[in-house]
Amino acid sequence: DAGVIQSPRHEVTEMGQEVTLRCKPISGHDYLFWYRQTMMRGLELLIYFNNNVPIDDSGMPEDRFSAKMPNASFSTLKIQPSEPRDSAVYFCASSPWGGEGNTEAFFGQGTRLTVV
Amino acid sequence: DQQVKQNSPSLSVQEGRISILNCDYTNSMFDYFLWYKKYPAEGPTFLISISSIKDKNEDGRFTVFLNKSAKHLSLHIVPSQPGDSAVYFCAGGSARQLTFGSGTQLTVLP
Repeated sequence: DAGVIQSPRHEVTEMGQEVTLRCKPISGHDYLFWYRQTMMRGLELLIYFNNNVPIDDSGMPEDRFSAKMPNASFSTLKIQPSEPRDSAVYFCASSPWGGEGNTEAFFGQGTRLTVV
Repeated sequence: DQQVKQNSPSLSVQEGRISILNCDYTNSMFDYFLWYKKYPAEGPTFLISISSIKDKNEDGRFTVFLNKSAKHLSLHIVPSQPGDSAVYFCAGGSARQLTFGSGTQLTVLP
């Protein structure tokens, strides 16, 4: 299995532009997570899905952020319009349903977003 | 409100010695805890976990200790190796949701 795949790896865009980040989770995983990493706040959970349904989006910073999961193998995180303070590394992660108990999440390599 | 705190942003240790990374949490609802390791330009990778009903879990050179009364966990790496140099994140888990700390950069000096 190729693991969680994110694209693009790097994105540089101008303030005000729309940005779309993409994620392909590991096949068979029921959960998908979007995280943002910044120096100040570390890894923050933005939103997560279970079986393609958004469960908790309380971490989404503003209405400019939206996420979708149209099917089990694809998710997008969109920022419209983008602002310089959105610059960060965005990670997608997925995890299987392994019953009760601790289950690790598997992370993609991240998308480094720079808004100028 | 940071539910998981890693108060040391960096730690340097000599090769062969013990590395101790610390983490504090405030959420009593976490039912498991995990440590992740992150190299530059890569995603975090799972290292070791512990259930909230245990106080110790060991895997090779890595041991995680949990003190529930103090709401504190630590990761011990013995002996430390240069390849262990990375950012280490601790996370508390509840209902599949992980809450991460801000990370500690470990540097193991040869």
